[in-house]
Amino acid sequence: GALVYQYPRRTICKSGTSMRMECQAVGFQATSVAWYRQSPQKTFELIALSTVNSAIKYEQNFTQEKFPISHPNLSFSSMTVLNAYLEDRGLYLCGAPTGSSQNTLYFGAGTRLSVL
Amino acid sequence: QQKVQQSPESLIVPEGGMASLNCTFSDRNSQYFWWYRQHSGEGPKALMSIFSNGDKKEGRFTAHLNKASLYVSLHIKDSQPSDSALYFCAGTGGYKVVFGSGTRLLVSP
Repeated sequence: GALVYQYPRRTICKSGTSMRMECQAVGFQATSVAWYRQSPQKTFELIALSTVNSAIKYEQNFTQEKFPISHPNLSFSSMTVLNAYLEDRGLYLCGAPTGSSQNTLYFGAGTRLSVL
Repeated sequence: QQKVQQSPESLIVPEGGMASLNCTFSDRNSQYFWWYRQHSGEGPKALMSIFSNGDKKEGRFTAHLNKASLYVSLHIKDSQPSDSALYFCAGTGGYKVVFGSGTRLLVSP
């Protein structure tokens, strides 16, 4: 079946430093990947939508300069949180449509970012 | 821009009872809707999709969609303690999927 793995599951970084998180699609081709952040209050914000061989579309309040994303092939994507501060805390989720079931997004378990 | 209102914020039902969750959407052009479930420490998992008006039943779960009213609901029959989780409705808003704010369901044994 289709699975999405995210690494690391949890990470802590010092304020002002950066951290990179990875997303691996197994069993299907992730032509597009949606990166979301789930706040400590559990609300979802779409950060960006990445499509292989196409420009990455960032949502308002999120920029490439702050959240650079790489999506080099159909099974892997990574995102970095640069210069992390307290407001960047949350669960970062990678979701990909499998192509069947009308593009239902399948999510990984997320990378939980804490900032000290 | 798609806005999603989800209610209730939290819900307690006895084991064996019926849980009812509701969502309203703002974008009349939305075509696809989902219910996701998230257990503690995990990512959200797609529980059910519904794309046509009416009811869709999968086991103990029934989703209802009324596009004219921009309304989606989820009913869980014979609720089990393992159903205790955060539930999110989601719908398309243009090119993206927009999520509700969540309902925390607790099924008490």
